This record gives sequence, structure tokens and C-alpha cells, in this order.
Amino acid sequence: RKEVEQDPGPFNVPEGATVAFNCTYSNSASQSFFWYRQDCRKEPKLLMSVYSSGNEDGRFTAQLNRASQYISLLIRDSKLSDSATYLCAVNEDSSYKLIFGSGTRLLVRP
Amino acid sequence: NAGVTQTPKFQVLKTGQSMTLQCAQDMNHNSMYWYRQDPGMGLRLIYYSASEGTTDKGEVPNGYNVSRLNKREFSLRLESAAPSQTSVYFCASSIGQQEAFFGQGTRLTVV
Repeated sequence: RKEVEQDPGPFNVPEGATVAFNCTYSNSASQSFFWYRQDCRKEPKLLMSVYSSGNEDGRFTAQLNRASQYISLLIRDSKLSDSATYLCAVNEDSSYKLIFGSGTRLLVRP
Repeated sequence: NAGVTQTPKFQVLKTGQSMTLQCAQDMNHNSMYWYRQDPGMGLRLIYYSASEGTTDKGEVPNGYNVSRLNKREFSLRLESAAPSQTSVYFCASSIGQQEAFFGQGTRLTVV
């Protein structure tokens, strides 16, 4: 079983839709959590860190549920430019080992 | 602002050849990482270095070696390349457990 798991999608949604992704992790001692965005044939770039209290950045909201060991990303009012692969990443306990999920592909159609 | 720099950007190797992928960061980060990315597999951690002088195995270390030459540089070596090592390789760096920043990747093909 992978340490960090995501639904690969693709999620195919119309512009303006709200879409949510989940990411589960297996190590209960994990301490840091992130969402990255990756465009085709490019390097991943940080979208947002995920804090215990949840955090929001414009149309994007990230949540952490430690009890159920998952993080989520909510995108409101989807834009065509949101089409990309979204990767979650988890830092395991105190080892600085940063593990990624396999990514969820989002396609936003006109 | 160079950030994380990887060389080369593209490489074709024959089976059995060796090569070293270079990575350097100018952000004074203490942690560095090597990942490979295959279609549908996301990023898989090969090796990481929490600080200068230390290296640890990640999820898929077999067939690779690494060297943390100094705080800036972290190299990945393929001693005897195999077709299964055809992939895109990303180097990344971070301050401790804060967000990681990535290089632009090395596209490696082993024939």
C-alpha cells in the first residue's frame, strides 16, 4: 500500500464548477502537508501548504483531518487555467522524508 | 534567481552505461531530494539528504547512488543504466519540513 494515495481522476468539470480532491496518508506521525500543481512536462510547484486549522487562498481551500488521516483541496469557480495535475505531499515524522501521491488530473472544459 | 538547477536537461544512455545527474541549489536549503516520475506514478522518492553529510533511501533507491557534495549540491548516479530507469528525474530542496522547490527536471532515456 502506498504511503500517500490519491484518486488519479481525471476529473472533468465545466468552468465555474466546484471540485474537491482528497489525499490519504498512512503514517500517523506525519507533520507537514502540501498541495502542488504540475502542468504537463513541467516541474511541480507549490500551490499551498496545509495547516491544522485549514487554510484558504482565493478560490482554493485546503483542509487537514488528522483523525482520518487525509488532506483535501477544494477549488471553487474552476477556470480553464486550473487544468493540471494536483499532487499532495506529506512529510513523514521527523525524518524530512517528503512523499508524494500519484496525482489527480483535473480537466476544466469551457 | 536560479533556485534549483539540474543538469543535463536531456540524456540518452545505452544499457549498461553510467552517468551522474547534477543538482545545485542557491537558496541555502538544508534538505535535498531526488525523485523520478513515470506516467501515472506521480513522484517517487529515490534518495534524500536531510542535511549536509547525510543521505537516506527513499521509496525506490535500487540502482542509484547519491552524494551530498556540500550544502548546495546533491548528485544522483546511475552505475549501470537499465531501460527501467527511463524516466523524468526531479531534484528538489527545502528548509527542513517546509515546502520543497523543484528543478526543471532531467529527461533520461535508456535504450
